[in-house]
Amino acid sequence: EIVLTQSPGTLSLSPGERATLSCRASQSVSSSYLAWYQQKRGQAPRLLIYGASSRATGIPDRFRGSGSGTDFTLTISRLEPEDFAVYYCQQYGSSLTFGGGTKVEIK
Amino acid sequence: EVQLVESGGGLVQPGRSLRLSCAASGFTFDDYAMHWVRQAPGKGLEWVSGITWSSGIIDYADSVKGRFTISRDNAKNSLYLQMNSLRPEDTALYYCAKAPSGSYLESSFDYWGQGTLVTVSS
Repeated sequence: EIVLTQSPGTLSLSPGERATLSCRASQSVSSSYLAWYQQKRGQAPRLLIYGASSRATGIPDRFRGSGSGTDFTLTISRLEPEDFAVYYCQQYGSSLTFGGGTKVEIK
Repeated sequence: EVQLVESGGGLVQPGRSLRLSCAASGFTFDDYAMHWVRQAPGKGLEWVSGITWSSGIIDYADSVKGRFTISRDNAKNSLYLQMNSLRPEDTALYYCAKAPSGSYLESSFDYWGQGTLVTVSS
């Protein structure tokens, strides 16, 4: 099973700042089959990024996914108030597993 | 508009059974694989089970294998999860999630329901 480790656990930032979230896999994720989700309190997760770098429908371009192999990054270029949430990565190259999440909170 | 509406959750004693349902609308249900993903209170996401469009490929997380059974009825646009021998550690919000493809399980999830809460406790 591929284990995904997300860091940091919590990111404290102000609106307008840049957020950089990391997702590291225990083994290489084939074909960059990695997705990112946003989950706000009391809501279902929402797909942001699939295939490591493709934005899902309706996702603003301030969200950018990058990486390959075992190291992946989600970058939010300028945080908007609605971006404060928990973010999960998920790999689907070998079965299906999620990372433990990164909480982006208001500083 | 894609809609996924889960139902069937509730409070159940350890060792008992529960059947979850997910009613789908707004897309051609039998074109897509479907999954169940759960989230224990205050915890992260855990994939539980998935089924391809034709039910030809089915898979489970090791934590539920042999106890849970996923199925679908394409004529009713519905997904199911039969949960037997329930344990306290199965307590979670269970989400129904749609895959962007039909014929394989390895995928992201492009739409999610709001979840149904299962609590296993005596």
